[in-house]
Order: sequence, then structure tokens, then C-alpha cells
Amino acid sequence: DTGVSQDPRHKITKRGQNVTFRCDPISEHNRLYWYRQTLGQGPEFLTYFQNEAQLEKSRLLSDRFSAERPKGSFSTLEIQRTEQGDSAMYLCASSPGTQNYGYTFGSGTRLTVV
Amino acid sequence: TQLLEQSPQFLSIQEGENLTVYCNSSSVFSSLQWYRQEPGEGPVLLVTVVTGGEVKKLKRLTFQFGDARKDSSLHITAAQPGDTGLYLCAGGSNYKLTFGKGTLLTVNP
Repeated sequence: DTGVSQDPRHKITKRGQNVTFRCDPISEHNRLYWYRQTLGQGPEFLTYFQNEAQLEKSRLLSDRFSAERPKGSFSTLEIQRTEQGDSAMYLCASSPGTQNYGYTFGSGTRLTVV
Repeated sequence: TQLLEQSPQFLSIQEGENLTVYCNSSSVFSSLQWYRQEPGEGPVLLVTVVTGGEVKKLKRLTFQFGDARKDSSLHITAAQPGDTGLYLCAGGSNYKLTFGKGTLLTVNP
């Protein structure tokens, strides 16, 4: 098991462009999370999947953001019409579904909108 | 909204010193976790505490969960440069974790 993989590691895009990030969780983990982290802050919850079902979305996730997890395996996070304020580290994590277990995070995707 | 306050925000010490960082909330959590994060990487889980008053030791790191399950502390004995990083606490309720802003620790050789 190689842990949680995120791709790409870095993305620079022009304002107004669309971007998509991919996350491959640990295969036996049924819960998958997306968090966003800006400089000097802790990770902020964006959305959560139990298998293929998206069970909660944060109010931080505007209608420009969409996430999917087809077949309960990998997940994608798409940002449409990017804005400079979207610049952040986007972190994916997975867990086996027991609330007292910790998350395993990926290395993140660093997005810079210019 | 559940908030976690971490203190101090920054800490710079010499190798060999001891230190304690704190994580406080007005909310009760079913579990509390500590992570360490290095620049450009995702957080790495250090420990999960679930019982009020629980103390866990991981080599030179000692973690304590408050009796009321609202606060926690992390104590490092004889800090080493390899301990440098951002220490994050996270409170769990059901499926979701809420993170504090972290304590940025620098251990100078």
C-alpha cells in the first residue's frame, strides 16, 4: 500500500481557468475527505465521501467547486473559473470509517492562481 | 462551530530543551488527534486520544487529553532538530475533524 496519492503536486493556472485534482485513497478505506489549507492556517474541511456518496459539503465549497468519487475509489476535485483566492494547498485524506481512527493524508496539491 | 485554539503559535528552542504546546476548545470532542506537518507535505498522524484524562507516550512525546475532553497538551522531552514542524491538533466528532491553526516549532541545533 502506497498511502494516499494526489496528483498533480503543483498546479499554476491563470485566473478564470478550470482545474481538476485527483486523489487515490488507501484502497480499503471507505471514507475520503478533501481539505483546504492556506498559509498560517490549519486544514479546513471542504467535503466528505462515504464510498461513492458525498455526504457533506462545507459552505466554503462554492458552486464553482465540485467533487466526485465514482465507484467509491479515486476522487476528483474540480474548480471552475478559478480566482486568486482559490490559491491554497488542497489536501485529500482517507480513513477506514471508524471515527476514532486518524486520517491518512496525501502530500497535497499546491494551487497557485495568477 | 467547534473551534480549537492552539498555543503558542510559534516556538523556537534549542536542541535538548523540553517544551509543551496546548490545544483548547469550548466544545467536547469524541476524540482528539495530533498531527505533524512538514513544509509542502500533508499532515502525518502522531496519536489519537479518546478517553478523558488519557495519557499516551510516543518515545519523547507525551500526549494528554483533558478530563472533560475539551483540551489536550503535547510535551516533547529533549527536543531534536528533527522535531521541527507544524504541530496540529484536530477534534473529532462523528466523521469530521476540525483542526486548530497549529504550533510552528523550530528546534535549533
